[in-house]
Amino acid sequence: NAGVTQTPKFQVLKTGQSMTLQCAQDMNHEYMSWYRQDPGMGLRLIHYSVGAGITDQGEVPNGYNVSRSTTEDFPLRLLSAAPSQTSVYFCASSSGTSYNEQFFGPGTRLTVL
Amino acid sequence: AQKVTQAQTEISVVEKEDVTLDCVYETRDTTYYLFWYKQPPSGELVFLIRRNSFDEQNEISGRYSWNFQKSTSSFNFTITASQVVDSAVYFCALSAAGRRALTFGSGTRLQVQP
Repeated sequence: NAGVTQTPKFQVLKTGQSMTLQCAQDMNHEYMSWYRQDPGMGLRLIHYSVGAGITDQGEVPNGYNVSRSTTEDFPLRLLSAAPSQTSVYFCASSSGTSYNEQFFGPGTRLTVL
Repeated sequence: AQKVTQAQTEISVVEKEDVTLDCVYETRDTTYYLFWYKQPPSGELVFLIRRNSFDEQNEISGRYSWNFQKSTSSFNFTITASQVVDSAVYFCALSAAGRRALTFGSGTRLQVQP
């Protein structure tokens, strides 16, 4: 099993550009989520999904869109990047039998100039 | 609302010292889960432990031990005989049963000097 994979590992964008951060998991987990990590603030939840076709907002959803067309994939879209979105992004997944333990991807470091 | 507080922003110790990382949490849920994650300089998040709210037994795993006290809403993490490889940022996190999302503390950066 590859676990949770994220691409790209690093990305530099200019203000106003759009891009999609990819996340995939091969563990058949129904729950997937996106967090951002900023210095001194821990990780904060952006969006999450409890299954294909179902998504919801987390703590800091503004500026981000998500969709969940398959169980395996959960992409995060930045429609118009802003410097405030410079951060490290982590995707995570969990199953209903794991007592809420989240399996994290390796992260994507995004810089918006 | 849930909240996790890690008051220690950064701790520096010399190798072989014992060190305790503090974690205090707030939740109105009666059933919840507490976690510790390690983030080494390479950046990935490494799961260390999960504790269920109904199980207050302390746990020891090698040089690591965890002290869960519901009465003080604390879930502290002790590293015995620290090593340079323990240098990392450590996060405490909380989630309520029935809601998968994790609420993280701000993290404690541990530096172990040789």
